[in-house]
Amino acid sequence: GQNIDQPTEMTATEGAIVQINCTYQTSGFNGLFWYQQHAGEAPTFLSYNVLDGLEEKGRFSSFLSRSKGYSYLLLKELQMKDSASYLCAVRDGDYKLSFGAGTTVTVRA
Amino acid sequence: DADVTQTPRNRITKTGKRIMLECSQTKGHDRMYWYRQDPGLGLRLIYYSFDVKDINKGEISDGYSVSRQAQAKFSLSLESAIPNQTALYFCATSDPGQGDTGELFFGEGSRLTVL
Repeated sequence: GQNIDQPTEMTATEGAIVQINCTYQTSGFNGLFWYQQHAGEAPTFLSYNVLDGLEEKGRFSSFLSRSKGYSYLLLKELQMKDSASYLCAVRDGDYKLSFGAGTTVTVRA
Repeated sequence: DADVTQTPRNRITKTGKRIMLECSQTKGHDRMYWYRQDPGLGLRLIYYSFDVKDINKGEISDGYSVSRQAQAKFSLSLESAIPNQTALYFCATSDPGQGDTGELFFGEGSRLTVL
């Protein structure tokens, strides 16, 4: 099974940087995903890591350390539209995806 | 039009009623999933199917059943709804065999309220 932990809430100022940490314990690992979910909407895919290191995608970056069971999502140059819930998810050896409870990020002007 | 379509989008029902949530997709993916989302608990997997003849239980399958009628259709049933099944339900698809990341593509969600 999976045990995925991430902070419940974070607040940051427009234009700033926020880092959302995710730790996991898994019986088999086949990739880590980050999703963004605005209130009342479906989650949308942000990033994927399967090897250690940093993946950069515009203002968003994601990092993975498999030996530490650790990932983070870095959001740079925050905009008001980035206010959302960010979901960390781990895919196991059977290709099932398990999600953390999500981190609600509030961006203040 | 959405690639993954769920019906109904909203439903209010009473305890003991049978409810079916339907999901259809035009992405041509073999793998389909049903999740429920509750505040503070995140998305939890109910059932999943990797092809038409394959059905697997997720972590919270009790009280639910599914049917994979075709590659494009995956239905979730609540045989006798109870109030703690009030939640937002998401259908999702994936296809890791296409050389991409195999990420999930979600439908727009079905909000179910059981009174």
